[in-house]
Amino acid sequence: AQSVTQPDIHITVSEGASLELRCNYSYGATPYLFWYVQSPGQGLQLLLKYFSGDTLVQGIKGFEAEFKRSQSSFNLRKPSVHWSDAAEYFCAVGSSLSGGYNKLIFGAGTRLAVHP
Amino acid sequence: GAGVSQSPSNKVTEKGKDVELRCDPISGHTALYWYRQSLGQGLEFLIYFQGNSAPDKSGLPSDRFSAERTGGSVSTLTIQRTQQEDSAVYLCASSFPNQETQYFGPGTRLLVL
Repeated sequence: AQSVTQPDIHITVSEGASLELRCNYSYGATPYLFWYVQSPGQGLQLLLKYFSGDTLVQGIKGFEAEFKRSQSSFNLRKPSVHWSDAAEYFCAVGSSLSGGYNKLIFGAGTRLAVHP
Repeated sequence: GAGVSQSPSNKVTEKGKDVELRCDPISGHTALYWYRQSLGQGLEFLIYFQGNSAPDKSGLPSDRFSAERTGGSVSTLTIQRTQQEDSAVYLCASSFPNQETQYFGPGTRLLVL
């Protein structure tokens, strides 16, 4: 069965510091991979996605992620964190449904706190 | 109407009552998904609609949960005889045909007392 693991439940960084959030997946074929962000009381906003091609993908708000098949990982990075990045981050993998669509299987999330 | 909308934003109900949650997807999105976000279970898939095809109900936790989608657009998730463990945020998402990216609504926060 497909699964997603986010090993870090909570991360605290200083504003301006670099950030890496870890994500490991379990999936038999080439996965569809996503990172979403959720601010308090809000829905999920898509940061970036990987379907195929270049393994380094750029997203919104200065985020990027790198797909590493050999490590079954899709880690999210940002070179310099802003206070407004404080939120919960979810990694997800697409899992096949009928009709060719995919449900999303989410990791448990990583809550990011940013110190001034 | 730029995004997925959901109503109500918050719902407080008593144990044993029925509730209805509404989702209005992005115009042109034929696929619609319901997810539940709870403290104990995280984010989990509930049900999926694609056009006029029969829905995929594989994620519904019990037969107290049902959903319908009228006219290929608005969807209603119904929970009958609510239990305290149904307390969660219910999220709706939609996507274009043949596209993998799902766009989420703000969610309905349900509290069962």
